[in-house]
Formats: sequence, structure tokens, C-alpha cells
Amino acid sequence: DVKVTQSSRYLVKRTGEKVFLECVQDMDHENMFWYRQDPGLGLRLIYFSYDVKMKEKGDIPEGYSVSREKKERFSLILESASTNQTSMYLCASSTPTGGRADTQYFGPGTRLTVL
Amino acid sequence: AQTVTQSQPEMSVQEAETVTLSCTYDTSENNYYLFWYKQPPSRQMILVIRQEAYKQQNATENRFSVNFQKAAKSFSLKISDSQLGDTAMYFCAFMKPSGGSNYKLTFGKGTLLTVNP
Repeated sequence: DVKVTQSSRYLVKRTGEKVFLECVQDMDHENMFWYRQDPGLGLRLIYFSYDVKMKEKGDIPEGYSVSREKKERFSLILESASTNQTSMYLCASSTPTGGRADTQYFGPGTRLTVL
Repeated sequence: AQTVTQSQPEMSVQEAETVTLSCTYDTSENNYYLFWYKQPPSRQMILVIRQEAYKQQNATENRFSVNFQKAAKSFSLKISDSQLGDTAMYFCAFMKPSGGSNYKLTFGKGTLLTVNP
């Protein structure tokens, strides 16, 4: 089974802090994604990566950056956290080949609160 | 840009009954994938079912089936013999075929389904 893990389930930070959210997958997937989930808005893509050191902006990249130095790890960085970044953050991974190609597998989520 | 619309923010159903969740989408693509994902309370999002647009046959997975109407751009999810464990937020999602930056999913806003005993 694919396993996607996220470094924290719950995180509380203060405005202006630099925040790192980490995601690790164990299935050698090429693609990794960061979403934020807000009530009434569904999931919105922040950034994704289709290879090591490659990244592309999603729909709402402002205020965020990402890093992918190793294939299995994809980090989301909030350079200077703000209260409007309080949200649930979901990581996902997928592979473009194979029987379940393009199916995204999700981590458990990190609920971030910025005070 | 693709859009996905789920017009039912909340639904409820009695245990053992059948319920249908609606999803419509807008795209100019001819080939694409459609998905239903399920997110139980405080648990991980998991795939329920997927459909390739080039396949005319509706996908089924045990008690879950879809009604895919390509011309109408409609992709509804039917849950038969509903169980308490089906209580979850359900998201409909759209994806263009693989390649380059086409891996991204576009999600609807979700339908919260409650199965009542």
C-alpha cells in the first residue's frame, strides 16, 4: 500500500514565523502535491512537483514556497506565516505510469493554526 | 480552465438505502479522468472510484458506481446499501491526461454525506 506521511497532525505558530511542513511518500512516486483545504472551498492546489528539484505553481501559490531535494520528500514553506494561512494542509503523491496511474494518494493532513 | 461543481453541500441517507451525489464539470478537453474521493471525519482522503472519459462503460467498485454522461458533462456517484462508515465528505475531481503540468486535480467543493442508523 502507498503510504504518505506528514510531519505533524496539528501545528500552532505565530504570525511572522517561518513554517515548514514536510511530506514523505514511500512508493517512489514522481509527482507530489500540496493542497490547502478550507470549509466551503474544497481543495486548492498550492504547488506541485513532477520530479526532484522541479516545481510548478498551482492555483494559490502566494505566500508559499516548496522544496524537493529528494524524490520521496516534498516540503511546503510558509516564509512568514499569516492568520489567513490557518488551514488544513494536505500532501499527495502520484505516478504517471502503471495500473492506477494518476490516482493521487493523500497524507493525513496537517491542521495549521496561525495566531 | 476546468471547473467542477457539486451542487449539494450536504446530504443524508438512511442506512441500507441508496443515495446519489451530483457532480458537473466544464471542460473543452475530449480526453480526461474523473474521480470521486472520500474523506471520513478526521481521517485520510481516499479514492472511491475513477473514470476515464474515453470509456463509455460506467465504472463500478462494489457498492459504488458512477453515472457518467459525457455530453452533459455530468459525473454522479451512486452509493448502494449505504453503511454508517460511508459518512464522509465526498469530493468530485477532474484531471487532464498525464504529461507535463497536466497532473493536477481540480476539485469540487465537496458534499458532506451523513448516513443515519
